[in-house]
Amino acid sequence: DTEVTQTPKHLVMGMTNKKSLKCEQHMGHRAMYWYKQKAKKPPELMFVYSYEKLSINESVPSRFSPECPNSSLLNLHLHALQPEDSALYLCASSQEGQGFYEQYFGPGTRLTVT
Amino acid sequence: DQQVKQNSPSLSVQEGRISILNCDYTNSMFDYFLWYKKYPAEGPTFLISISSIKDKNEDGRFTVFLNKSAKHLSLHIVPSQPGDSAVYFCAASDAGGTSYGKLTFGQGTILTVHP
Repeated sequence: DTEVTQTPKHLVMGMTNKKSLKCEQHMGHRAMYWYKQKAKKPPELMFVYSYEKLSINESVPSRFSPECPNSSLLNLHLHALQPEDSALYLCASSQEGQGFYEQYFGPGTRLTVT
Repeated sequence: DQQVKQNSPSLSVQEGRISILNCDYTNSMFDYFLWYKKYPAEGPTFLISISSIKDKNEDGRFTVFLNKSAKHLSLHIVPSQPGDSAVYFCAASDAGGTSYGKLTFGQGTILTVHP
C-alpha cells in the first residue's frame, strides 16, 4: 500500500478565512512533505517534517503554518491567503527524510483563493 | 537557477515504439534521481529511481540511464502504450547529504502516445 490521502480535494476560501489541509499516510513513513504546484509548473517544496520535527522551511510566508500531530498526519493551516496562493497543494511521504527513498504523493488539494 | 532541466516540453510517439525522455542537471551534489508520471488533477506517481552509484535501472517497461559525467539521465519506455500519455517529471536530490529528501523537479515533458 503506497497511499497518501489528502482532504479536502477542492477548497475555495476568501482572503480573510482560516482553513486547514490534511494529509495522512499509513505506510510507517517518518518523513512528510508539503509541495505547491502552479499550473504548468513543477512541484515546489514548501516544508519537510522528519520524525515529526520541522526540518526544512523553504522560506514560506507565515500565512502557511504546517503541523505534524503524529507520524501519520500532516496538516497545513492557512490564514489570510492571497489570490496568488491559488494552486494544487501536494502532500508526500517517504520512509526516511535522509537517504535514497522515493517519495509517494497524495492526489492534492486544489485551492482557490478569492 | 534551474538545477534540473527537461528541455523537451513535449514528445509524441506511436504506440509500440520507444519513448525516450531526457533530463539534465547542474548540481554535482545530486546523487539520487527519480522519474514521476502525472495525470491532470492527480498527484505525481513514482515510476523509477536510480542512485549515482549505478548507470542503469530497469523495472518492466521502464529503464532509467544515468550518465554522471554528462550530468544527464534518460527514461526509456518500451513499448509505449496510450495509457502512458501524461506529464513526466524528472526529480533529483542530494540524498547522501542533509537535504532531508528535498526533491528538485524539472519542468516536465508531456508525452503523447498515439494508437
